[in-house]
Amino acid sequence: EVQMVDSGGGLVQPGRSLRLSCRASGYSFGGHAVSWFRQAPGKGLEWVGFIRSKGYGATTEYAASVKGRFMMSRDDSKNIAYLQMDGLKSEDTAVYFCTRIWNMVPDSWGQGTRVTVSS
Amino acid sequence: EVVLTQSPEFQSVTPKEKVTITCRASQSIGNSLHWFQQKPDQSPKLLINYGSQSISGVPSRFSGSGSGTVFTLTINSLEAEDAATYYCHQTSSLPFTFGGGTKVEIK
Repeated sequence: EVQMVDSGGGLVQPGRSLRLSCRASGYSFGGHAVSWFRQAPGKGLEWVGFIRSKGYGATTEYAASVKGRFMMSRDDSKNIAYLQMDGLKSEDTAVYFCTRIWNMVPDSWGQGTRVTVSS
Repeated sequence: EVVLTQSPEFQSVTPKEKVTITCRASQSIGNSLHWFQQKPDQSPKLLINYGSQSISGVPSRFSGSGSGTVFTLTINSLEAEDAATYYCHQTSSLPFTFGGGTKVEIK
């Protein structure tokens, strides 16, 4: 069974950094991209970005709202993907989800980890 | 950026009724349109991919259709457990985007 487990959320002050983790199991992690999404309180879903597999250079794509502040990486030896978030703003407050990407579709989602940016 | 417009935003439905949700794209996206169900305090669940492809484990009362710019999610014979918010999502071009969601309430 495919499982994605998000962790690392918490309360952080504006301008500070936070690193989220996504631990995957139940499939060949290294062969698939991983995507991140977020959902602000009471709002809809927003795509944050994704990291391709090493076979595609582990290259990344980001939403304009986070480009230059967020960085995705992956450690295939540990089956973990990371979302490094720097220069956090209040508008980054949301529940963050990681997903497996299967045939360009986010088919398996983590349970989400809550990030609150506030002084 | 591809803008996805869902309608209606809210629907109150009695059990066994049929529900139809429409997602319109601001430009052609082929069939790269996927549907998700999200219940309160849960992560989204994939229902349909590539416009009409069913997903293993998803009840057969959920079906999708459409291509290009107009897509439809149909729930035949609604059940109480289908109370949720439904989102369409396109992966045709970056940035990937979502519709605003359709909340389905059970009367």
